[in-house]
Amino acid sequence: AQSVTQLDSQVPVFEEAPVELRCNYSSSVSVYLFWYVQYPNQGLQLLLKYLSGSTLVKGINGFEAEFNKSQTSFHLRKPSVHISDTAEYFCAVSLDSSYKLIFGSGTRLLVRP
Amino acid sequence: EAGVAQSPRYKIIEKRQSVAFWCNPISGHATLYWYQQILGQGPKLLIQFQNNGVVDDSQLPKDRFSAERLKGVDSTLKIQPAKLEDSAVYLCASSQTSGSWNEQFFGPGTRLTVL
Repeated sequence: AQSVTQLDSQVPVFEEAPVELRCNYSSSVSVYLFWYVQYPNQGLQLLLKYLSGSTLVKGINGFEAEFNKSQTSFHLRKPSVHISDTAEYFCAVSLDSSYKLIFGSGTRLLVRP
Repeated sequence: EAGVAQSPRYKIIEKRQSVAFWCNPISGHATLYWYQQILGQGPKLLIQFQNNGVVDDSQLPKDRFSAERLKGVDSTLKIQPAKLEDSAVYLCASSQTSGSWNEQFFGPGTRLTVL
């Protein structure tokens, strides 16, 4: 069965510092990978996705992620965060056969001035 | 373009009562999803519709949860009777189709508190 692990429940960081949110997945078949962001009292918004091709994918708001098949990871990075990036971030996988999304437990990014 | 609409935004009920949530997907989206997001966890798919047919309801607790999508547009999710562990945010999402990858667009959710 497929699963997603986000080991960090909360990541505090100062404004303008770089950040990395970690995501590892387990699957015996090919998967699609996603990062979603959830601002308070709002629904989830797609940040970026990996379907195929280049393992480095760029998303909205300056975020990027790298697919590492050997390490089964899809870590999210941003070189310089803003206060407005404070939110909950969810990593998700989807089988290429069913497109059903399986989410991790989320990482709360807390950006401090 | 209007997004996914959900109502109510908040609901507080006592255990053993019934409750219903409503979702209006983005116009033209054939696929509709209901997710349950318990505090501290990621969303979990409850049921997926393609037009007015059920594609996947393997994680729907069918003894108390039911959902319908009459006419393939709006959808209603019902819980009867509610339990304390049903306290969660219920998210609705829609996408153009489920036959290939299409982005799921999420509504703001309904926060249910069961006392």
